[in-house]
Amino acid sequence: KAGVTQTPRYLIKTRGQQVTLSCSPISGHRSVSWYQQTPGQGLQFLFEYFSETQRNKGNFPGRFSGRQFSNSRSEMNVSTLELGDSALYLCASSPDTYGYTFGSGTRLTVV
Amino acid sequence: GQNIDQPTEMTATEGAIVQINCTYQTSGFNGLFWYQQHAGEAPTFLSYNVLDGLEEKGRFSSFLSRSKGYSYLLLKELQMKDSASYLCAGRPMNRDDKIIFGKGTRLHILP
Repeated sequence: KAGVTQTPRYLIKTRGQQVTLSCSPISGHRSVSWYQQTPGQGLQFLFEYFSETQRNKGNFPGRFSGRQFSNSRSEMNVSTLELGDSALYLCASSPDTYGYTFGSGTRLTVV
Repeated sequence: GQNIDQPTEMTATEGAIVQINCTYQTSGFNGLFWYQQHAGEAPTFLSYNVLDGLEEKGRFSSFLSRSKGYSYLLLKELQMKDSASYLCAGRPMNRDDKIIFGKGTRLHILP
């Protein structure tokens, strides 16, 4: 079966702009989690959606938001981009919280 | 809080054995995951331990002691392709809570 699909793979944006990243989970998986990964920081949890509801939220500013659609696809949005938002953004899907399957990620560069 | 600690970096020789340790607060989790992440790629699932003891899967084995808050990943017959980061992650007692990741151990394999 198809894996977790994240689009786009690479993105370059300018400070102050906004960006929307997309994640299509494995068919049948209702949980989608988003992580930010930067060198030396590991995986920082952003939020998790389960059946269109935000179930968990990490300690990121309100500029970071997300949503999940009825088909379980999820988007995350970052507004007013800052240089420090440059990172690899990973989406992970799961049938519950048993374990994650990660997408290939979106590498965001803010210039 | 629910912290997961693992060494930042380790170095080992091709063909040898290496053990990567992971410690956590005993009250925090009821299961431990190990993921492998090659540079620039998404993490991939290696193992999940929910019971105490050793689980073997080919060249990789994972051990868990819930009473001691301790897990390790054992890699045998190291190959150059094993050069990667290894992430320890805890599954919370509350199934609806997010999975917590350690910062990862970067393993360097020398020829």
